Amino acid sequence: IAGITQAPTSQILAAGRRMTLRCTQDMRHNAMYWYRQDLGLGLRLIHYSNTAGTTGKGEVPDGYSVSRANTDDFPLTLASAVPSQTSVYFCASSRGGQNNEQFFGPGTRLTVL
Amino acid sequence: AQSVTQLGSHVSVSEGALVLLRCNYSSSVPPYLFWYVQYPNQGLQLLLKYTSAATLVKGINGFEAEFKKSETSFHLTKPSAHMSDAAEYFCAVSPSRRNQGGKLIFGQGTELSVKP
Repeated sequence: IAGITQAPTSQILAAGRRMTLRCTQDMRHNAMYWYRQDLGLGLRLIHYSNTAGTTGKGEVPDGYSVSRANTDDFPLTLASAVPSQTSVYFCASSRGGQNNEQFFGPGTRLTVL
Repeated sequence: AQSVTQLGSHVSVSEGALVLLRCNYSSSVPPYLFWYVQYPNQGLQLLLKYTSAATLVKGINGFEAEFKKSETSFHLTKPSAHMSDAAEYFCAVSPSRRNQGGKLIFGQGTELSVKP
């Protein structure tokens, strides 16, 4: 069982380019999340999905979009990347509900120049 | 709104010494609380979680945390540090109100160093 996979592992991107970060889980979890991790700020929620077909905005959604066409996949798209989006991005999933743990992917390190 | 504060961005202990990582939360309703660990270049792993069943929670790798409502704290402890405990530790709170999904609010993180 792979758990959560993310692709790519790392990416260097020119400002203004479009980029999609991929996330796939094989645990049949209802809920999925995207976070960005920045030094001194911890993890901040970008977008989330409580179930397939629904999405919601987190703490820092501007400049990002998501879709949840099925249970397993939750791609994150940067329509026009800016340098402030340089970060490490983590995808996570859970069964849903407030007391269920989240399982994290290995992360994508994105650099926008 | 809920929030989490971790006191100390970096903690250094000697091998065999007590580990104490501090976490205070702010919540208007009883929260669910979590501690996660992140080893270098990896994602986060759950250490333990408080879900109102017992105030003293035991987790993996010998870690435990005590929920103290009067102090709004959920500090993480381990009696004897091991070199392999060196990592970054995150405290997180989950709103316990309905319709919040399973969203987590994370603290800033505390990097633990263990000296031989």
